[in-house]
Amino acid sequence: SQQGEEDPQALSIQEGENATMNCSYKTSINNLQWYRQNSGRGLVHLILIRSNEREKHSGRLRVTLDTSKKSSSLLITASRAADTASYFCATPGGSNYKLTFGKGTLLTVNP
Amino acid sequence: EADIYQTPRYLVIGTGKKITLECSQTMGHDKMYWYQQDPGMELHLIHYSYGVNSTEKGDLSSESTVSRIRTEHFPLTLESARPSHTSQYLCASSRGTDHTDTQYFGPGTRLTVL
Repeated sequence: SQQGEEDPQALSIQEGENATMNCSYKTSINNLQWYRQNSGRGLVHLILIRSNEREKHSGRLRVTLDTSKKSSSLLITASRAADTASYFCATPGGSNYKLTFGKGTLLTVNP
Repeated sequence: EADIYQTPRYLVIGTGKKITLECSQTMGHDKMYWYQQDPGMELHLIHYSYGVNSTEKGDLSSESTVSRIRTEHFPLTLESARPSHTSQYLCASSRGTDHTDTQYFGPGTRLTVL
């Protein structure tokens, strides 16, 4: 069953603008990961945030986690055309190291 | 780029053919995974492995089978392909030490069954 769900499903912005994507999940987690997928390619890990962290930064990425609301957000600042991709949140899928991925947000950054 | 490889990248075959999708990783990871993903949709786990000689079915039922005879190799086989098997198949691996593990993905195989 699906754990994470991203919002919006699609987002189109201009280069230089910030992009914010949200992820909501259903059950308690000890961490949440964000991945990126370029069209027709595999996923690439971006960042992991643990349940005892509220915010984490990596370059132009900022991730927040609100465990009381069971939600996370991914902010990409000063977006570039090369940021065009689908972004997925992933939560631990129960036992055995599985991950459950959401449906993703398709981000289009127009030059 | 992760050291995980999938071949072929694209495959177009006729109904009823037997196919094997190859996946190899050189990172020495114990855990390996196969996902199925339709265009613009979420990933569905169809198989995973904890290590050599260990395979388990995933959350989405699949007619495919897998084997794990060597740590680095996790092939997926369809005995008789059908149009409903048309999809992208993604292979991934992780060290598997705990739930914070990153999964490393191959580039995927896009399968079209006519």
